[in-house]
Amino acid sequence: DAGVIQSPRHEVTEMGQEVTLRCKPISGHDYLFWYRQTMMRGLELLIYFNNNVPIDDSGMPEDRFSAKMPNASFSTLKIQPSEPRDSAVYFCASSPRDTEAFFGQGTRLTVV
Amino acid sequence: GESVGLHLPTLSVQEGDNSIINCAYSNSASDYFIWYKQESGKGPQFIIDIRSNMDKRQGQRVTVLLNKTVKHLSLQIAATQPGDSAVYFCAEKSGGSYIPTFGRGTSLIVHP
Repeated sequence: DAGVIQSPRHEVTEMGQEVTLRCKPISGHDYLFWYRQTMMRGLELLIYFNNNVPIDDSGMPEDRFSAKMPNASFSTLKIQPSEPRDSAVYFCASSPRDTEAFFGQGTRLTVV
Repeated sequence: GESVGLHLPTLSVQEGDNSIINCAYSNSASDYFIWYKQESGKGPQFIIDIRSNMDKRQGQRVTVLLNKTVKHLSLQIAATQPGDSAVYFCAEKSGGSYIPTFGRGTSLIVHP
């Protein structure tokens, strides 16, 4: 298995633009997590899915953020409109029921 | 809310020395603990885990110790190498949750 795959690796966009981050989890994993990492806040959980269903989105900072998981092999995190303070590294991770989470390489987002 | 935290933000060691990275947790219901290593530009990678029914677990050059009495977790790296330089995170899960909660991380710097 290639592991958790995220795209793009880097994204630079202008304030106000829509940004879509993509994730392909490891096949067979029940859980999918979206995290945001910054120097100030560390790793923050934004939202997680169980069997494609969003369970807890209380970490999503604002309504500008949305996430979907249309099937077991794909998830998106969308920011619309983007703002400079959204600049961070966004990680997707997946896990089986009761073991460690496996992380993707992350998407470094810069909003100018 | 309950959280996981790290005592030392930065640890500098000489190559060949043993390293000890500490982590305190506050959720007494936590029953599964994980150490991750994050190298620059990469996602966190699993190192070793331990369940609450154990006090110690060993891997290759790494040992995790769990003291449930004082809610403390440590990662010991034997014969530290320059390639061990990274940020190390502890994470915990409780039986009622499948969400790994991360501490802020400790930066390990290994001097040749």
